[in-house]
Amino acid sequence: AQRVTQPEKLLSVFKGAPVELKCNYSYSGSPELFWYVQYSRQRLQLLLRHISRESIKGFTADLNKGETSFHLKKPFAQEEDSAMYYCALSGNLGAGNMLTFGGGTRLMVKP
Amino acid sequence: DTEVTQTPKHLVMGMTNKKSLKCEQHMGHRAMYWYKQKAKKPPELMFVYSYEKLSINESVPSRFSPECPNSSLLNLHLHALQPEDSALYLCASSPGLAAPYEQYFGPGTRLTVT
Repeated sequence: AQRVTQPEKLLSVFKGAPVELKCNYSYSGSPELFWYVQYSRQRLQLLLRHISRESIKGFTADLNKGETSFHLKKPFAQEEDSAMYYCALSGNLGAGNMLTFGGGTRLMVKP
Repeated sequence: DTEVTQTPKHLVMGMTNKKSLKCEQHMGHRAMYWYKQKAKKPPELMFVYSYEKLSINESVPSRFSPECPNSSLLNLHLHALQPEDSALYLCASSPGLAAPYEQYFGPGTRLTVT
């Protein structure tokens, strides 16, 4: 079975502070991990995926297979980063690769 | 066109009504998905279509009936829904199922069952 856990429902930081949104997963195979973001009144969209190793909007995430984690980090939070963040795992559910979402973390960046 | 579109944006229906949700994409994607998202919760997978054939049904009640008339279009037919079915219904698409592709999401249809 595949499972994604985001331990914090809400994370509140001040503008300019570092941010870390935690994500842990369990999966017996080789996982593909994603971070999706949902800004207010906008559609759910991909922020980044581990295989591309990109930095998007200043966010990075490193897959740590030893700790089964894929935490999302940004050194200096901006107010426009306020949104709902979902960590997701793509694994084979027998009929193809399906996304399993974590419970989500709401990030609030205060001025 | 790199967007998934969904109509209607909002839908209010009674428990005896029959209605349909529509989803469209013109990115040439061959996999399409329906998700249900309750407030402050992650999306829950309902159905997956691959090459216009139903690939996964996540034990969804029969009052939800999906249909994929062609590779660009995905419908969700609703009949005899319950108030607890009120939610945001999201459609998504991806190039296929064989690899862990990014999924592209539509804006959703907000459904209220009265």
